[in-house]
Amino acid sequence: AQSVTQLDSHVSVSEGTPVLLRCNYSSSYSPSLFWYVQHPNKGLQLLLKYTSAATLVKGINGFEAEFKKSETSFHLTKPSAHMSDAAEYFCVVSDANDYKLSFGAGTTVTVRA
Amino acid sequence: DAGITQSPRYKITETGRQVTLMCHQTWSHSYMFWYRQDLGHGLRLIYYSAAADITDKGEVPDGYVVSRSKTENFPLTLESATRSQTSVYFCASSALAGQPQHFGDGTRLSIL
Repeated sequence: AQSVTQLDSHVSVSEGTPVLLRCNYSSSYSPSLFWYVQHPNKGLQLLLKYTSAATLVKGINGFEAEFKKSETSFHLTKPSAHMSDAAEYFCVVSDANDYKLSFGAGTTVTVRA
Repeated sequence: DAGITQSPRYKITETGRQVTLMCHQTWSHSYMFWYRQDLGHGLRLIYYSAAADITDKGEVPDGYVVSRSKTENFPLTLESATRSQTSVYFCASSALAGQPQHFGDGTRLSIL
């Protein structure tokens, strides 16, 4: 069985500064890992995915995440936050070839001008 | 444009009424899913479908019915709506199990 823990429920950053969203996971098998973003009144949009290829994964809008098996982590980063990055972010895990997703509780990102 | 479309976006109904939420995808994805999103509970899987005419229960299926006669459509029906079913409902699809799921914009359902 897989599970996800997002270590911060809320992150506040200034525009132009780095963003770090932390995610730890547990999985019985080789995991697939995803980060999704949800803007108000919208569905979840895929930012990036890890599926056992390169451990550093680049996504859309300047985001990237690093898979660290020894630490069971998949933290999301962005070098410079933009006002449009204000949203809810979900770390998601699934066992490879399994339909079932396990969602983290979400991290709300606030960007200060 | 290709994508996944949910309708209606907003719906208000009364307890005891039947209501159907629609989901249509243009990718010909095999898998389709229905989730509900509630504060304090996150996203919970209601039902999923691996292919046309194949559906199965998720985590919270009680009070809901689904069908999938065509690959592209996956309607969700609340047979007799209750206030506890007030929620935001999301439909999603994926090509294969383990592949990323792509979400619609959701239906905000209020049951009075």
